[in-house]
Amino acid sequence: GQSLEQPSEVTAVEGAIVQINCTYQTSGFYGLSWYQQHDGGAPTFLSYNALDGLEETGRFSSFLSRSDSYGYLLLQELQMKDSASYFCAVRSYSGGYQKVTFGTGTKLQVIP
Amino acid sequence: NAGVTQTPKFRVLKTGQSMTLLCAQDMNHEYMYWYRQDPGMGLRLIHYSVGEGTTAKGEVPDGYNVSRLKKQNFLLGLESAAPSQTSVYFCASSYEKAYEQYFGPGTRLTVT
Repeated sequence: GQSLEQPSEVTAVEGAIVQINCTYQTSGFYGLSWYQQHDGGAPTFLSYNALDGLEETGRFSSFLSRSDSYGYLLLQELQMKDSASYFCAVRSYSGGYQKVTFGTGTKLQVIP
Repeated sequence: NAGVTQTPKFRVLKTGQSMTLLCAQDMNHEYMYWYRQDPGMGLRLIHYSVGEGTTAKGEVPDGYNVSRLKKQNFLLGLESAAPSQTSVYFCASSYEKAYEQYFGPGTRLTVT
């Protein structure tokens, strides 16, 4: 089967850096995506890693280590508007079919 | 472009009633998905479609049916609603690679 683990909650100070980890167990792994969801809103895509290493998009970066089945989302220069839930999602193939499985999410609270 | 739209936004049903949720996308995406989101459980895939006229079961398909008669529309049906189906339902669409999904605003369904 598949499993993803993320911390349920993280609190960080405005202006600081926070790292949200995601570990996964899956066969046929292709890549790891990250989504942001504000309370009452829809998930929005942030980033995708298929290869090992760091991908940077503005204040957000995402990292993947395929050998460790581990990735993280790094948010720099935190702003109050970054308070939201963050989901990792594994893309995998099994039996010729593509599958995307979401983690249970990490609720980030940014405090002044 | 409207992106992904869902109707209705809110609905209250009595146990045993039926309803259909409509999802529409104007991005010419091949893939469409229906998810449910419950507190602490992330996004769980109900059914998905990889093209017009095709549908497949996801992680939690029981009690739901779907149809994709036109490429831009994906319908989710509840034939006999149960309180366990109280949830927020999200529709999403993507290109074939599926790692970047575009979500609709969601439908909040309460079954009493």
